[in-house]
Amino acid sequence: AQSVAQPEDQVNVAEGNPLTVKCTYSVSGNPYLFWYVQYPNRGLQFLLKYITGDNLVKGSYGFEAEFNKSQTSFHLKKPSALVSDSALYFCAVRESGRNSGAGSYQLTFGKGTKLSVIP
Amino acid sequence: KAGVTQTPRYLIKTRGQQVTLSCSPISGHRSVSWYQQTPGQGLQFLFEYFSETQRNKGNFPGRFSGRQFSNSRSEMNVSTLELGDSALYLCASSPRGETNEKLFFGSGTQLSVL
Repeated sequence: AQSVAQPEDQVNVAEGNPLTVKCTYSVSGNPYLFWYVQYPNRGLQFLLKYITGDNLVKGSYGFEAEFNKSQTSFHLKKPSALVSDSALYFCAVRESGRNSGAGSYQLTFGKGTKLSVIP
Repeated sequence: KAGVTQTPRYLIKTRGQQVTLSCSPISGHRSVSWYQQTPGQGLQFLFEYFSETQRNKGNFPGRFSGRQFSNSRSEMNVSTLELGDSALYLCASSPRGETNEKLFFGSGTQLSVL
C-alpha cells in the first residue's frame, strides 16, 4: 500500500523568506511524486512532479522540490515566499511500473499543509 | 480548452436522500477520478474510470457508485445519504490514464447533508 505523510498541519513564514513544506512517502516500488496547491473554494492545481531523472524538480510559480530516495522524502521549497503563496499544499504519490496493479491508478494524497505567508 | 467541469457547484440534501454529481473532463481526456475532501480526512480516493471501465475503487461503502459514459463524462451517485457524507467532491481527469500523468481537477461539488 502507498501512503504519504505531511508532518506539519501549518507552516508560517515571513514574506521574502525561504519556505519548505515537508513530505515523506511510502511505496513498494519506485514512486511517482506530485505536489498540488489548493486555493479557497477551488480545486487542486498541479505544481510539479518527479518521475525519474534529476532529483531537483522545478515547477510552477517558482516552486521546486527535491526527491531524496534514501529518506523517502519530497519536500517542496521556494527561495522567497510571497503573500499570494498562502494556500493549502498537498503531496501525492503513485507507485510506478506496469505491474503495480489497479492500486497504481489511485493517487494517494497527504492530509495537506496550510501555508501562511505573513506580510 | 475548457477545464474540468463539475455540476452542480453546491448541493443541500437531507439524510436518506440520494444525489448524483456530474463531471465533464477536459476534451480528449479518457481517465476520470473522484475524490472526497473533508477537513478531518483530507482527500480520499473514491474511484477511477478509464474508457467506461472502473479500474480501481477506494474504501467507501456500496452507497457510493459511479459510471463513465462513452464521451468520458462521469457521474457519481450516493444513495441513502448520511450526515458524514457532507464534503467537497472533486473530479479529476487525465489524457491517457497513465500513472505518471498529472491530474487536472475541477472546482468540486460542495455537498451538505442536513
